[in-house]
Amino acid sequence: KQEVTQIPAALSVPEGENLVLNCSFTDSAIYNLQWFRQDPGKGLTSLLLIQSSQREQTSGRLNASLDKSSGRSTLYIAASQPGDSATYLCAVSNQAGTALIFGKGTTLSVSS
Amino acid sequence: DAGITQSPRHKVTETGTPVTLRCHQTENHRYMYWYRQDPGHGLRLIHYSYGVKDTDKGEVSDGYSVSRSKTEDFLLTLESATSSQTSVYFCAISESMAEGGGYTFGSGTRLTVV
Repeated sequence: KQEVTQIPAALSVPEGENLVLNCSFTDSAIYNLQWFRQDPGKGLTSLLLIQSSQREQTSGRLNASLDKSSGRSTLYIAASQPGDSATYLCAVSNQAGTALIFGKGTTLSVSS
Repeated sequence: DAGITQSPRHKVTETGTPVTLRCHQTENHRYMYWYRQDPGHGLRLIHYSYGVKDTDKGEVSDGYSVSRSKTEDFLLTLESATSSQTSVYFCAISESMAEGGGYTFGSGTRLTVV
């Protein structure tokens, strides 16, 4: 059974700091990996989607990497801002594409 | 979220009553999903659909049923609501494998069973 773990569960940083969020998964037979952002009381917003054949994806100040063989992904946020404060969720899709398995998230707080 | 809407956004119901949540998409995606989100458990898959009238169970399907009579609509029914079904419910759609398989989520329905 696929399990997804995110470390740390919570992170507090001052504005301007670069930071890394970690995600690990137990079964390397994935189709893709997706990072989401969730603001309190809101839905999920997709940030980056990495196919299993890719090593990384970038969008603005965000960069996500994938090492499928070791079952790891990282989300790098450059020059953090208070508006980045949210919960970040990592999820992997099984190879049949019939399920997205989520980690429990990292709650990020960026202080000004 | 663009292309996917959930209704209602909030609902309070009594134990033992039936409840139906609706998900509507305008993206013509084949796959649709229902998840629930609970503190300490994260997001868990309830049911999913891979086409009209084609559905299957997820990790936490007990007490729930689904129906999909049209490509654009996916309904989640709680036949007899219990307090343990108090949760936030999210609908999602996904692209085909050829398109990358990315998921898009609705804004959620907050259900309280009293």
